Amino acid sequence: QQQVKQSPQSLIVQKGGISIINCAYENTAFDYFPWYQQFPGKGPALLIAIRPDVSEKKEGRFTISFNKSAKQFSLHIMDSQPGDSATYFCAASNRDDKIIFGKGTRLHILP
Amino acid sequence: EAQVTQNPRYLITVTGKKLTVTCSQNMNHEYMSWYRQDPGLGLRQIYYSMNVEVTDKGDVPEGYKVSRKEKRNFPLILESPSPNQTSLYFCASSQGLAGVWTGELFFGEGSRLTVL
Repeated sequence: QQQVKQSPQSLIVQKGGISIINCAYENTAFDYFPWYQQFPGKGPALLIAIRPDVSEKKEGRFTISFNKSAKQFSLHIMDSQPGDSATYFCAASNRDDKIIFGKGTRLHILP
Repeated sequence: EAQVTQNPRYLITVTGKKLTVTCSQNMNHEYMSWYRQDPGLGLRQIYYSMNVEVTDKGDVPEGYKVSRKEKRNFPLILESPSPNQTSLYFCASSQGLAGVWTGELFFGEGSRLTVL
């Protein structure tokens, strides 16, 4: 019940295309859903996050779509750029500070 | 500059030789945590601490110890390292439940450990 399932494991997208990464969770007590971006040799850094009271959040080219009834959320990267090539982790947490991470998606944007 | 600092960044050691990876944050965060990152397994939590003198096991605590004597420091101790502890380790902190909770984790740059 504590798992967060992330797919795909790896993704290759042409420059200018849309990158989509999906996550599913089981525990309905989760109330904070962040996405972290990790470049090689660096620690993960918060990219964008959403709470379950909204269905979508957009920040620049990055959008989280959230489906509470299906217990799924996804990251969309519009107009993907080579600089977006990184590993992306979805996560879910609640106020007891238990944060569960997905296993990550390695994204490669072709120039 | 707000940051989480880990040392060493790279370490090669041998089985059984005790080692400590230090972690320090300058953001006055209450919550600190250690993760290990392995290919295909993502980020797995080793130990976490909600505040000074309060620590708890994460998902993969076996073979590790931690302490939280001061708010800013959260060292990870491997008493008798084994080759299966070869991994990339990350320390992270967040403000925890103090004030307005955001849940954002701030990560260090990682410590790559090889145990021969």
